Amino acid sequence: DAGITQSPRHKVTETGTPVTLRCHQTENHRYMYWYRQDPGHGLRLIHYSYGVKDTDKGEVSDGYSVSRSKTEDFLLTLESATSSQTSVYFCAISEGGTGTLQETQYFGPGTRLLVL
Amino acid sequence: GESVGLHLPTLSVQEGDNSIINCAYSNSASDYFIWYKQESGKGPQFIIDIRSNMDKRQGQRVTVLLNKTVKHLSLQIAATQPGDSAVYFCAERANFGNEKLTFGTGTRLTIIP
Repeated sequence: DAGITQSPRHKVTETGTPVTLRCHQTENHRYMYWYRQDPGHGLRLIHYSYGVKDTDKGEVSDGYSVSRSKTEDFLLTLESATSSQTSVYFCAISEGGTGTLQETQYFGPGTRLLVL
Repeated sequence: GESVGLHLPTLSVQEGDNSIINCAYSNSASDYFIWYKQESGKGPQFIIDIRSNMDKRQGQRVTVLLNKTVKHLSLQIAATQPGDSAVYFCAERANFGNEKLTFGTGTRLTIIP
């Protein structure tokens, strides 16, 4: 998984509780992304980062926040989890640039989140 | 593993045969495309990519064809093996410098022994 780890890999939580998912990379890539994957949908971008402390919203950012204080770590926080946030969450990284495979996004193993 | 799509298009292919998986993309300005493979319970895995200035690109046992006229992308897998069973999906990038990708919902490929 291209030097990407996600933690936890599985989590069960209750509605209304805050949840933080962590993505850690060892590739020193500039870009990091958080996606969610749900049946019937393709991967949908939640937030992404283009550098330390530089983040932007994706198409499904409501209810989520992110932080990136170090190149290697990108955190996704569900401020107050809801059942609609039950999903599989994937982190991805890319080097950025136009060289061979620099534009390609590589994915972590995923975190399965269940909000009861 | 989790289901990545309740109603995914499916393709069943005999082991050893070739398979072709298709993808229609939405943005005529997209300049970069990627095919991913996702096995049950795992993250998407990069297979092959192609830029919009190309029509065809080959890798090991895989070929990607790009038809910009009809906004169509295909992935050909030669001599399929049981390990090829997975969900395959394409991704497109809207334009140069935009690091965001848009993903298709995928096709489930099943290899029949």
